[in-house]
Amino acid sequence: KQEVTQIPAALSVPEGENLVLNCSFTDSAIYNLQWFRQDPGKGLTSLLLIQSSQREQTSGRLNASLDKSSGRSTLYIAASQPGDSATYLCAVTPNGAQKLVFGQGTRLTINP
Amino acid sequence: ETGVTQSPTHLIKTRGQQVTLRCSSQSGHNTVSWYQQALGQGPQFIFQYYREEENGRGNFPPRFSGLQFPNYSSELNVNALELDDSALYLCASSRGSLTYEQYFGPGTRLTVT
Repeated sequence: KQEVTQIPAALSVPEGENLVLNCSFTDSAIYNLQWFRQDPGKGLTSLLLIQSSQREQTSGRLNASLDKSSGRSTLYIAASQPGDSATYLCAVTPNGAQKLVFGQGTRLTINP
Repeated sequence: ETGVTQSPTHLIKTRGQQVTLRCSSQSGHNTVSWYQQALGQGPQFIFQYYREEENGRGNFPPRFSGLQFPNYSSELNVNALELDDSALYLCASSRGSLTYEQYFGPGTRLTVT
């Protein structure tokens, strides 16, 4: 059974810092991994999608990496801003499954 | 391009009642998935519909059922509501392949009293 873990559960940093969010998964047999952002009480906004054959994806100040063999992904946020404050979720699509398996998220607070 | 929309935004029901939640998929998408997100948790997969057929189901009882219509919009029905059904219900659409990106709607907040 695929399990996804995100550490830490919460993170608070001052504005301007670069930071890394971690995601690990137990089974390397995945189609892809997706990072999402969720504001309180709202839906999910897709940030980056990494296919299983890829090592990383970049969008603006965000960079996500994928190491399938070790079951790890990181989301790097450069020059953090207060508007980046949200919960960040990672999710994998296991091989042969029609679903996303989510971690519990990292709640990020950027202090002005 | 119209995004994923869900209705209603929130609702309150009494234990034992039935509820129907609705989702309109993004233009060009033929696959809809439903997720339940309890407070402070990651979303849990309920089921997926592809071209009007159920295409996968998570660990949810049969009182959770769904439909997909020819225009690819979808409904989630929950019978005999329980207090633990209180959650944010999220709908996601995609182009159909497992390798495609999932796009989520804003969710429906269901409270069962």
